[in-house]
Amino acid sequence: QKEVEQDPGPLSVPEGAIVSLNCTYSNSAFQYFMWYRQYSRKGPELLMYTYSSGNKEDGRFTAQVDKSSKYISLFIRDSQPSDSATYLCAMSDQAAGNKLTFGGGTRVLVKP
Amino acid sequence: KAGVTQTPRYLIKTRGQQVTLSCSPISGHRSVSWYQQTPGQGLQFLFEYFSETQRNKGNFPGRFSGRQFSNSRSEMNVSTLELGDSALYLCASSPRAGGETQYFGPGTRLLVL
Repeated sequence: QKEVEQDPGPLSVPEGAIVSLNCTYSNSAFQYFMWYRQYSRKGPELLMYTYSSGNKEDGRFTAQVDKSSKYISLFIRDSQPSDSATYLCAMSDQAAGNKLTFGGGTRVLVKP
Repeated sequence: KAGVTQTPRYLIKTRGQQVTLSCSPISGHRSVSWYQQTPGQGLQFLFEYFSETQRNKGNFPGRFSGRQFSNSRSEMNVSTLELGDSALYLCASSPRAGGETQYFGPGTRLLVL
């Protein structure tokens, strides 16, 4: 079993809908949680960074971390066709330095 | 600030050859990490360098190696290439070591024939 599990999708939503993405993990030492967006044939782009549990909001994006359940979420409000991409969750722990462990990514398609 | 740059962007090699990839981090960033991305395995950590020292290494064979220079630029080398080494190689930079946000470059796409 992988350390970080993420539904591969694809997740298809109409424009304007809320996109809901999530990851589960098994390593309780993870403290830092990130969401990246990756367009085809490009490098991942950092969207959200959260330390420990709680919520964080940035524009249309909201990230939630529930360490007790080992579950993290990303919500995208008012989705746009330009949000169509693969979304990757990533996490790390202090002892591992900057080593990130990634989920497999969820492909999202926002239809006009 | 300029982002992370990687060269070359595309590369075609044959089995048995070796390859060197280069990464220039964001100005002022001292940590550089390397990842391999394939459709089957996703993004996997190769190694991290901070102040010219390897701090962490992933589960890859010794054919994969790297180094970091005093200006924080980094190179990774893959010797005796195998077909399975075909992948997108991504470099990420971070200001410091440990739990920091990391910013990725565009990657080098390597095809081994």
